[in-house]
Formats: sequence, C-alpha cells, structure tokens
Amino acid sequence: AQSVTQLDSQVPVFEEAPVELRCNYSSSVSVYLFWYVQYPNQGLQLLLKYLSGSTLVKGINGFEAEFNKSQTSFHLRKPSVHISDTAEYFCAVTIKAAGNKLTFGGGTRVLVKP
Amino acid sequence: DTAVSQTPKYLVTQMGNDKSIKCEQNLGHDTMYWYKQDSKKFLKIMFSYNNKELIINETVPNRFSPKSPDKAHLNLHINSLELGDSAVYFCASSQAYAGGPGYNEQFFGPGTRLTVL
Repeated sequence: AQSVTQLDSQVPVFEEAPVELRCNYSSSVSVYLFWYVQYPNQGLQLLLKYLSGSTLVKGINGFEAEFNKSQTSFHLRKPSVHISDTAEYFCAVTIKAAGNKLTFGGGTRVLVKP
Repeated sequence: DTAVSQTPKYLVTQMGNDKSIKCEQNLGHDTMYWYKQDSKKFLKIMFSYNNKELIINETVPNRFSPKSPDKAHLNLHINSLELGDSAVYFCASSQAYAGGPGYNEQFFGPGTRLTVL
C-alpha cells in the first residue's frame, strides 16, 4: 500500500519570504501526486498535480512542486508568500491502477507572519 | 453556486444517537466520496460511489452506512454514535471513475464538523 509523509507539521514563515513544504511518498508502483490546500474552516482545494511528463509542476497562487522519482519526493515551493497563504497543506498520492483513491499525508500548517 | 454542498455544517449530538449528513453536487459528476478528518487533521477516505454503486469501502465500522439515492447525492448515516466519531466529514465528487489507470480531479465540499458528547 502507498503512504505519504509530510516531514513538517508546522512551518512559520514571514511574509514575502520563500517557503518549501516537504513531502515523501512510498509506493511500489507508479503514482500520481497532488498538493491540496485547506483554508480555515473550508474544504480542500487542489493546488497542483503531477500525472506524467515534466517533473516541475506549476499550480495556482504561484505554487510549484517538483517530482523526484529517485528520492520519492514531491516538495511544494512558493518564492514569496502572502498572509493569505496561511492554511493547511496536504500532500496526497494515488496509484495509477486505482486512479481516484487518494492517500493523504498528515498535513503541514503554514503560518505566514507579517 | 456551490459545486459540492453539505448539510449540516455543524452537528452536535449525544453518544448513542443516530445522525445523517447530506451531500449534493451540481457538477454533473458520476463519482462521489466521503472522507473523515480527525482532530489531528489526518484525512482518510471512507467510501466512494460511482453511479450509485459502491466502489470503495475502507475499513469503516458497520455503524456507518452511505446511501446514494441518485448520482448527485451521497448521504452518510451513522448509527449509535461514539466519541471517536467526532471529526470533520468531507464529501467530494469527480468525473466518472472508469477503473484502472487515470485520474479525475476531486472537488471537495466545505465539511461537516460532527461533535459527539
């Protein structure tokens, strides 16, 4: 079975500073990878996804992530954060043979400080 | 218009009661899901229905019973509520799951916060 580990439970960051959220996955077969964002008291919104092709994936709100197969990682980055980026971020994986069954990591809370 | 809606938004109830959470999507999707997010924010899939047919059923107690009257609705009924059922329950929907390789983006509802006292 596949699994996802988000190495940081909380990441405090100052406004306009860069941020990186780490995600590692485990799977014996090919995967699809995702980052979701959950703003306070809201549902999840897809930030970006890796299905195939270029390993650098660009998403909404200036976020990007890089798929590294050898390191089984899918880290999320943003070069300059805003106060509005304060949220919980979830990395998720699904194996290609069961396309829509998502397995989530434990989440990383990003707190952007002025 | 809300794409995936859930009612109620908050639900507070006593142990042992039976309660239902409703979910509706107006995206024309064929597949719907229920997820549970516990107090530590851990998200786990519970069920998935494709065209009113159950296709994913994780190791969820029998007290939880999903019901899909039509493909736009997936309700979750919980019998004999326990303290450990306290969580946020999210409904989601996607285009039809055809089985095998492929992925269709899931759209999530705003969640229902269930508190069992």
